[in-house]
Amino acid sequence: AQTVTQSQPEMSVQEAETVTLSCTYDTSENNYYLFWYKQPPSRQMILVIRQEAYKQQNATENRFSVNFQKAAKSFSLKISDSQLGDTAMYFCAGTGAGSYQLTFGKGTKLSVIP
Amino acid sequence: DSGVTQTPKHLITATGQRVTLRCSPRSGDLSVYWYQQSLDQGLQFLIHYYNGEERAKGNILERFSAQQFPDLHSELNLSSLELGDSALYFCASSVAQLGDTQYFGPGTRLTVL
Repeated sequence: AQTVTQSQPEMSVQEAETVTLSCTYDTSENNYYLFWYKQPPSRQMILVIRQEAYKQQNATENRFSVNFQKAAKSFSLKISDSQLGDTAMYFCAGTGAGSYQLTFGKGTKLSVIP
Repeated sequence: DSGVTQTPKHLITATGQRVTLRCSPRSGDLSVYWYQQSLDQGLQFLIHYYNGEERAKGNILERFSAQQFPDLHSELNLSSLELGDSALYFCASSVAQLGDTQYFGPGTRLTVL
């Protein structure tokens, strides 16, 4: 992706509730990959979920799932049954055809409230 | 633990100095990427090496250089340091193919005084 936009700088959710983080991207390519990474206070970058653009099926990983809308260039992350350990910065990122490197959004700071 | 190691964890130095950051990729990964995370610029791609060869450059300053050695570890050299170079520098590795997941190391926190 040439650009990745996360329009929500901060969000909060009650423990056990569901929250959705938004991400839009811009690319002229057909073959690309999208990712969500989590950065907790430890600063470690941890992969949450990966989506291949040519696959219609939305990726899921346990409590984490995406809503991938290719035509709208939207890639939102849904976190179900939020846990205190989900408190972190969440970054949306993408690659483009021929470019292996990741382009990151500015991140969304998620706070899970007990 | 991602399997990617970076040393040192923290580095404090003065303006005008030169430092070297080291990264060891996961076993079997041929690609190494360097990213810079700063408050004003966010996460930015610096450079990509694949099996010892430079593959792509991003927003990397001329004062910065990198290399990947035959054992696949990589070093990022930062010279003539400025206050604005203070940041968290991440190394990531992946197997080789486009779209492969990049696994990040714990980062090196550089502080330039």
